[in-house]
Amino acid sequence: NAGVTQTPKFQVLKTGQSMTLQCAQDMNHEYMSWYRQDPGMGLRLIHYSVGAGITDQGEVPNGYNVSRSTTEDFPLRLLSAAPSQTSVYFCASSDTGSGKLFFGSGTQLSVL
Amino acid sequence: DAKTTQPNSMESNEEEPVHLPCNHSTISGTDYIHWYRQLPSQGPEYVIHGLTSNVNNRMASLAIAEDRKSSTLILHRATLRDAAVYYCSRTNTGNQFYFGTGTSLTVIP
Repeated sequence: NAGVTQTPKFQVLKTGQSMTLQCAQDMNHEYMSWYRQDPGMGLRLIHYSVGAGITDQGEVPNGYNVSRSTTEDFPLRLLSAAPSQTSVYFCASSDTGSGKLFFGSGTQLSVL
Repeated sequence: DAKTTQPNSMESNEEEPVHLPCNHSTISGTDYIHWYRQLPSQGPEYVIHGLTSNVNNRMASLAIAEDRKSSTLILHRATLRDAAVYYCSRTNTGNQFYFGTGTSLTVIP
């Protein structure tokens, strides 16, 4: 009964490094999304996908890329990490139309 | 979402009702209202959602103002396990969730 799985849980990067945050769900949900959570800012939508092969930008997409080659996976790529991208990142999925998001446990990212 | 506003913090005594407010100043007619809560070191979890009518489930009740510019999450009897950060959201037809900054609820034994 895994639900939404995010890896890694913690990551430290140097400015300019690239990395991919992984997100996988086993509920056959069409909709998947990425959020970042910063103190005093709540959860802000980075990118989302309504199905395999379809992605779109949210509120704060700059500096991040996504792709959706399968229903199960929705990785988030940081091409050149910046200190402003230090945050906690959450992946979420939902059965389109249900109105209920299922969140992963998050990835805490620090960019030095 | 700067247009979805919540108080930073609230306190409640254990076993008393709690009313958590949210203002949705720019909500459109087709946006849903969602509430989630987040326990320490966990991802947010779904609480309740609605469009126009008040909603009840086993966790809470949701009261939506007639003009839909505000909503209130009602916990009927607060327990220590309800201590969390509560987020409201307006959600458009494209399934994009725009969250407020959250209310940290403290439950006093």
